[in-house]
Amino acid sequence: TQLLEQSPQFLSIQEGENLTVYCNSSSVFSSLQWYRQEPGEGPVLLVTVVTGGEVKKLKRLTFQFGDARKDSSLHITAAQPGDTGLYLCAGTETSGSRLTFGEGTQLTVNP
Amino acid sequence: DTEVTQTPKHLVMGMTNKKSLKCEQHMGHRAMYWYKQKAKKPPELMFVYSYEKLSINESVPSRFSPECPNSSLLNLHLHALQPEDSALYLCASSQGPPGTGEDEQFFGPGTRLTVL
Repeated sequence: TQLLEQSPQFLSIQEGENLTVYCNSSSVFSSLQWYRQEPGEGPVLLVTVVTGGEVKKLKRLTFQFGDARKDSSLHITAAQPGDTGLYLCAGTETSGSRLTFGEGTQLTVNP
Repeated sequence: DTEVTQTPKHLVMGMTNKKSLKCEQHMGHRAMYWYKQKAKKPPELMFVYSYEKLSINESVPSRFSPECPNSSLLNLHLHALQPEDSALYLCASSQGPPGTGEDEQFFGPGTRLTVL
């Protein structure tokens, strides 16, 4: 069983559409990060959320941390081809000593 | 300087070769990590160094040998690898060790390793 369940695994949409990626767990996390990775490159940190109920915005990206700090979502408004990539959520449990990754969401935005 | 650098970018080696991967950060981070990533999969943790000491080894085979010469450098020595070890090897660093609240990780660009 995956500690962090990320969905959907694959997403192919047209330019201009909106989308949401979910990251869920039964465990409580002290913090949760979202990364974006392009092929052959390292993951790039987009945001860190630490407070339950927190909402952070990064241009067209909106990140939410659940009130109980067990889940998170990433919403992209008016997706563009440049948003294409592998989106990874990752978190450290409150009692944990390592970063745990979700399985990732491969997003393709078609022109 | 807010980046993690890794060399080489690409590496091809035979199963009898000995090679090393290098990672460097100048952000004053006290924890550094090695991850292995296969195509279309999330990174898998291999090793964690906290304050230049090995704190986590995720049961990695001994043909992978990490080394932390100082607080800015992290090496991964490779010897007698197998073709299934071919992957993207990522280095990361964080201000503090995991679980300290200062453990936001920043990744390098990775080394693409191919074992023939």
